[in-house]
Amino acid sequence: EDQVTQSPEALRLQEGESSSLNCSYTVSGLRGLFWYRQDPGKGPEFLFTLYSAGEEKEKERLKATLTKKESFLHITAPKPEDSATYLCAVQVQGGSEKLVFGKGTKLTVNP
Amino acid sequence: DGGITQSPKYLFRKEGQNVTLSCEQNLNHDAMYWYRQDPGQGLRLIYYSQIVNDFQKGDIAEGYSVSREKKESFPLTVTSAQKNPTAFYLCASGWPGRSPEAFFGQGTRLTVV
Repeated sequence: EDQVTQSPEALRLQEGESSSLNCSYTVSGLRGLFWYRQDPGKGPEFLFTLYSAGEEKEKERLKATLTKKESFLHITAPKPEDSATYLCAVQVQGGSEKLVFGKGTKLTVNP
Repeated sequence: DGGITQSPKYLFRKEGQNVTLSCEQNLNHDAMYWYRQDPGQGLRLIYYSQIVNDFQKGDIAEGYSVSREKKESFPLTVTSAQKNPTAFYLCASGWPGRSPEAFFGQGTRLTVV
């Protein structure tokens, strides 16, 4: 069964304190891995797509990396406005078009 | 502005009633999806459609129905057969033939009273 596990469930950081969020996955074949940001009461906002091991993508203070078993979302010198829930999802090769989501990591950045 | 519009933002339903959630997109996306989000759980797929007049069940389709009569529209009906309908419902769209990303609307929060 295709599975996505995110850790930690919640993370509190001080402003400027860099850290990483983890997304581990077990799938028969990976078509793509996606990171989204979700603010309370809002729909997920697309951040990155990663396709193959070794790939990296960056956007402002965020950097996503991918290995054969997991992905990391690195947050460098976070600011309070980075507080949100970060969702990881995968799409499986040869299957339906659905995305399999993890439960998310709730990030809180204190000023 | 291009985007995905869900309406209403909040919806209250009495037990035993059917209710329809609206989803419209003007991004010319081929595929549209409905997900359900509950606290402490990942998003779960209810239905998806890759072309007009065709749709497939997702993981939790029981108690829901959809239609895709126009490319831009993919309404979701929550029927009285859905045992636990209170949730946050998210509509998404994408171009699966070009790239696998899905883009989401702002959601509808349904509460059964």
